[in-house]
Amino acid sequence: NAGVTQTPKFRILKIGQSMTLQCTQDMNHNYMYWYRQDPGMGLKLIYYSVGAGITDKGEVPNGYNVSRSTTEDFPLRLELAAPSQTSVYFCASRPGTSGYEQYFGPGTRLTVT
Amino acid sequence: QKEVEQNSGPLSVPEGAIASLNCTYSDRGSQSFFWYRQYSGKSPELIMFIYSNGDKEDGRFTAQLNKASQYVSLLIRDSQPSDSATYLCAVMVSSNTGKLIFGQGTTLQVKP
Repeated sequence: NAGVTQTPKFRILKIGQSMTLQCTQDMNHNYMYWYRQDPGMGLKLIYYSVGAGITDKGEVPNGYNVSRSTTEDFPLRLELAAPSQTSVYFCASRPGTSGYEQYFGPGTRLTVT
Repeated sequence: QKEVEQNSGPLSVPEGAIASLNCTYSDRGSQSFFWYRQYSGKSPELIMFIYSNGDKEDGRFTAQLNKASQYVSLLIRDSQPSDSATYLCAVMVSSNTGKLIFGQGTTLQVKP
């Protein structure tokens, strides 16, 4: 099992550009999450999904969108990138009722200039 | 606004000492509590979780929970330089969705 994979690892965007951060898990987990982590801070939940076709907002959803068409994939879309979106983005998944642990991907480091 | 508070540190302890990390939370209805370790430039990894009042031990790690005081702590015995990392406290605010609220993390430095 590869676990949770994220692409790209690094990206530099210009203000106003758009991009999609990819997240894939091969553990057949129902629950998936997107977090952002600013320097020296904890993780803030952006969006989450409890299963294919079901998504909801977290603490800091503004400027982002998600979709969940399959169990495996949970892409995060940034529209009109702003410097405030410079951060490290982590995707995580968990099995659901059989376990509470969230498994994290390696992260995407995004810089918006 | 549900909050989780940690002292950002750094907390510096000598090798072999006990490191004590603390966390308070605001949501009295929270049921499950987690400690994640994060090495610099890496993703968080779960090291302990606890949901009952009292202590839970796993090797050199002990998690302590006091729901009345809304307080969670992590003790690391016989601290090693490899324990140097940021420790994130997380509180599950919804068991239906698994949503976690994270503290800002405490940086631990273990000096040889």
